[in-house]
Amino acid sequence: DAKTTQPPSMDCAEGRAANLPCNHSTISGNEYVYWYRQIHSQGPQYIIHGLKNNETNEMASLIITEDRKSSTLILPHATLRDTAVYYCIVRPPGTGNQFYFGTGTSLTVIP
Amino acid sequence: GAVVSQHPSRVICKSGTSVKIECRSLDFQATTMFWYRQFPKQSLMLMATSNEGSKATYEQGVEKDKFLINHASLTLSTLTVTSAHPEDSSFYICSARGDDEQYFGPGTRLTVT
Repeated sequence: DAKTTQPPSMDCAEGRAANLPCNHSTISGNEYVYWYRQIHSQGPQYIIHGLKNNETNEMASLIITEDRKSSTLILPHATLRDTAVYYCIVRPPGTGNQFYFGTGTSLTVIP
Repeated sequence: GAVVSQHPSRVICKSGTSVKIECRSLDFQATTMFWYRQFPKQSLMLMATSNEGSKATYEQGVEKDKFLINHASLTLSTLTVTSAHPEDSSFYICSARGDDEQYFGPGTRLTVT
């Protein structure tokens, strides 16, 4: 079962930073926070993941609160192509552990 | 990043027939693959987890005799929808785990008429 809560939808102006929050107040000590996004009628695309520390890659930054009960995905300069549904997922390590998707946040980037 | 392919991308079949969907990890070996189903405007729902060489583990409420999963090799898993009905029409997505990340296929749109 999904263990995260996200706002159902958000808008962001093109070129501005998009900050997508995720609540995971019941996260366990060994569970990672993953972010994926799904553009309409495509498979989910991996964005970033982290355990405790903030993480950054070429796509986004992930900020995890010190108590790990929430996190924020930051797209620094949103473009129209970033319009998608963004999913925050918590999952323990291990190759057999499943991803359970919640309802995600539908992000619309506005020109 | 790693690539997962699915074939076919779209399929239309008649009610009562069976349909096979293939999922391949193209540039890595995947000991574990996952199958999801997604209805319009809904999130992905995990159907089953398959490990190479062993029987798949199905999520509660998913009929194992209707959705046959075969994970024959480290790069190939198949999902067969048997005796398909219109309510099986959905977007089927596979996923393969490699290293520390999980990669998803592009999905297969199944329409049962």
